[in-house]
Amino acid sequence: GAVVSQHPSRVICKSGTSVKIECRSLDFQATTMFWYRQFPKKSLMLMATSNEGSKATYEQGVEKDKFLINHASLTLSTLTVTSAHPEDSSFYICSATGPGGPQHFGDGTRLSIL
Amino acid sequence: KQEVTQIPAALSVPEGENLVLNCSFTDSAIYNLQWFRQDPGKGLTSLLLIQSSQREQTSGRLNASLDKSSGRSTLYIAASQPGDSATYLCAVRNTGNQFYFGTGTSLTVIP
Repeated sequence: GAVVSQHPSRVICKSGTSVKIECRSLDFQATTMFWYRQFPKKSLMLMATSNEGSKATYEQGVEKDKFLINHASLTLSTLTVTSAHPEDSSFYICSATGPGGPQHFGDGTRLSIL
Repeated sequence: KQEVTQIPAALSVPEGENLVLNCSFTDSAIYNLQWFRQDPGKGLTSLLLIQSSQREQTSGRLNASLDKSSGRSTLYIAASQPGDSATYLCAVRNTGNQFYFGTGTSLTVIP
C-alpha cells in the first residue's frame, strides 16, 4: 500500500530554534499534501494544504510566516517551524494524496520546545 | 463549512462484543469518507474508504456504511479484540479537495 514517511519522529530543541519536518510519499505521486497539528486528546487541526509547485493555502489563524511550507516535488513537502517557542510544542502530522484518492498519513512528529 | 461529529466520544466494551461507531456530517456534498485508526502518539492508519456513490465497504471484521443523504456513516467492528483499542477518526473529503475530521471515538476493549 501507499507509504508516507515523516521525519523526524521526535524533536526536542531550545526556544528560538527553527525546526524542519519532512514528509515524503515513497511509492506514489502526491499532488496534494496536508499538514495537521494535534493537541493532546484532540482531533486533527488542519494547518495548511500544499499542492506541488504552488504556494500553500493556510487555514485561518495559522501564521504563514511562522509555519513555512514547501512542496517542491510530487514526493516531498516540508514544514519549517520558525523561531519555535514552547507554545509550538505539539504533534504534527502530514498526509499525502493523489487525485481523488485517499489520504495516507505519516507517523507524525512530536515537537517539544524547551 | 463542513462539520463532522463522532458519537460516542469514548467507548469501553468487553472482548468479543460487536460495536458501532457513529460519524455524522452537515454537508452531504462529499467526495468520499474515510475511517482511520490512531494509536497513542502515532499517525493515522487508513481502515476503509467509501466513495460518495458507495453504500458500504468491508475489510475483515470491519464494515463501514455511508448514507450520504442523511449525513451519516457507521463503522461496525465485529468480535472486538483488545488490539482494537485505539482512537477511531472519520474524515470527509468534499468536492473541493478539503478534508474535515471528526472529533474521534476512543475505544477500549477489555480482555
